Amino acid sequence: RKEVEQDPGPFNVPEGATVAFNCTYSNSASQSFFWYRQDCRKEPKLLMSVYSSGNEDGRFTAQLNRASQYISLLIRDSKLSDSATYLCVVNNLEGNTPLVFGKGTRLSVIA
Amino acid sequence: DGGITQSPKYLFRKEGQNVTLSCEQNLNHDAMYWYRQDPGQGLRLIYYSQIVNDFQKGDIAEGYSVSREKKESFPLTVTSAQKNPTAFYLCASSMMGADEQFFGPGTRLTVL
Repeated sequence: RKEVEQDPGPFNVPEGATVAFNCTYSNSASQSFFWYRQDCRKEPKLLMSVYSSGNEDGRFTAQLNRASQYISLLIRDSKLSDSATYLCVVNNLEGNTPLVFGKGTRLSVIA
Repeated sequence: DGGITQSPKYLFRKEGQNVTLSCEQNLNHDAMYWYRQDPGQGLRLIYYSQIVNDFQKGDIAEGYSVSREKKESFPLTVTSAQKNPTAFYLCASSMMGADEQFFGPGTRLTVL
């Protein structure tokens, strides 16, 4: 059964805080992992891909743990503009859905 | 500017009417996708197409139909057979062989 599970939140954090989200996936054969950002009533936008070696883009760091089948997103020095829902996305190697989307984790950064 | 466009942004229809949502892309992407998103839910795949004149059902294809006559265009028809059509509909596209998908701005459909 394909599943991507995320804590729905909300995570309410003050500006400048560091916050981390985890996401677990059920298909051990999955090879591609992504974090998308979705603002309220807008389309999802690709935030970053997650590589086996992990990757960093400015204040954002993504990690993959294949043994435990989870990926993480770390946001340092949170800004008000980081407030959004973060979607964990995993490719699906079986069935009829190329990508499986988590329901998202809502982040609210407070001044 | 390259991108994906969807129209209209908001659409209201009476129950029992078919409605067609537009999706156009000028990214030269081969694959295109239709999702629906309901409040508090993840995206669910309706249909996708990896090449012109070919498409596959996703998880929730019942009550929907698509066509792919041109690489740039992938219209979705919501038929009267769809039991609960009110939702946010998102179109996406991707390059051949790539998993990353890029989304249009969406159409919010309300059936009265």
